[in-house]
Amino acid sequence: EAAVTQSPRNKVTVTGGNVTLSCRQTNSHNYMYWYRQDTGHGLRLIHYSYGAGNLQIGDVPDGYKATRTTQEDFFLLLELASPSQTSLYFCASSEPGQGARAPLFGEGTRLSVL
Amino acid sequence: GDSVTQTEGQVTVSESKSLIINCTYSATSIGYPNLFWYVRYPGEGLQLLLKVITAGQKGSSRGFEATYNKEATSFHLQKASVQESDSAVYYCALGPNSAGNKLTFGIGTRVLVRP
Repeated sequence: EAAVTQSPRNKVTVTGGNVTLSCRQTNSHNYMYWYRQDTGHGLRLIHYSYGAGNLQIGDVPDGYKATRTTQEDFFLLLELASPSQTSLYFCASSEPGQGARAPLFGEGTRLSVL
Repeated sequence: GDSVTQTEGQVTVSESKSLIINCTYSATSIGYPNLFWYVRYPGEGLQLLLKVITAGQKGSSRGFEATYNKEATSFHLQKASVQESDSAVYYCALGPNSAGNKLTFGIGTRVLVRP
């Protein structure tokens, strides 16, 4: 069954802390995405990737790094976390091409930066 | 850029009543987008509810319907008779009809169905 798994599900850190959010997909999809979801903003794209070793900048990339180590794994890194990065983070994967290839989403990681 | 505007805040509706969540879009960079409704039930992840890729067509799932109206640039979500289990947050989104599926989302509408 197609799946996107995020870990951890919840994370609390302090300002200036170092956080890594993990995402693994078992769908053999080429594309993976990191979004953040905040009240009043919907989901906003942080970074995305077309494949292992590839990284593309999204709409709200400041303060975030990402790395795609394999086709399955996509990581989001916050090297100096700030309270403004308190949010609900979603990872997604999809297959490219024509037509409505709706991305599959994970269950989300709730991050609190104190 | 591209944008999606949907009914803001929370909508409270009684069980068995009808529901409509408005969604309009602007697809300046895409021109002819694909349209989606996603839903997030309490404690769960984001999941696709329905999608439509052709103007004039209607998508349906779990009793919900949405019609792709290119002239009005709208994609309203409707259900004739809601159930308590429909309580969730609903997101309207658009994406390109080409390689890459970066989606642009609306802010989400929380629906609370009262028994």
